[in-house]
Amino acid sequence: KQEVTQIPAALSVPEGENLVLNCSFTDSAIYNLQWFRQDPGKGLTSLLLIQSSQREQTSGRLNASLDKSSGRSTLYIAASQPGDSATYLCAAPLRDNYGQNFVFGPGTRLSVLP
Amino acid sequence: NAGVTQTPKFQVLKTGQSMTLQCAQDMNHEYMSWYRQDPGMGLRLIHYSVGAGITDQGEVPNGYNVSRSTTEDFPLRLLSAAPSQTSVYFCASSFYARAVITEAFFGQGTRLTVV
Repeated sequence: KQEVTQIPAALSVPEGENLVLNCSFTDSAIYNLQWFRQDPGKGLTSLLLIQSSQREQTSGRLNASLDKSSGRSTLYIAASQPGDSATYLCAAPLRDNYGQNFVFGPGTRLSVLP
Repeated sequence: NAGVTQTPKFQVLKTGQSMTLQCAQDMNHEYMSWYRQDPGMGLRLIHYSVGAGITDQGEVPNGYNVSRSTTEDFPLRLLSAAPSQTSVYFCASSFYARAVITEAFFGQGTRLTVV
């Protein structure tokens, strides 16, 4: 059964710092992995989707890496801004016929202080 | 550009009442699903559908029913609400094609309280 964990649970940094969020998963036979952002009281916004054939994916100041052999993914945020404050969720797909159902980690709550 | 729309945003029910949470998407996505989010437990899959007329159970289906009569809509029914169903419910959709993984889009959520 796929299980996803994330560390740290919470992180508070001053504006401008580079930071790394970590995600671990138990079933390495995955098609892909997605990182989402969730703002308080809001839905989830997809940030990056990494296919199993890729090692990393970049979007602006965000870079996500995937190491299937070790069961790990990291989300790197460069030059953090107060607007980055949110909860970041890692999601790995269930090993079923469709690959579109996810197991989510508990999230990392990020606070970027001005 | 509506994306995934959930209604209502907030709801309070009494134990034993029934209700339907609505989810609609305008992206012609085949795949739709429902998750619930509880503090300390993350999001858990309730039911999902790979197209009109096809539904299946996820991790926590008990107490919930779904149907998919159109591509656009995927309502979630609570048959007899219980306090344990107090949660935030999210609907998601994506394109589906075998061996092709696509980005998932989520609605804004429905916050349900059962008293």
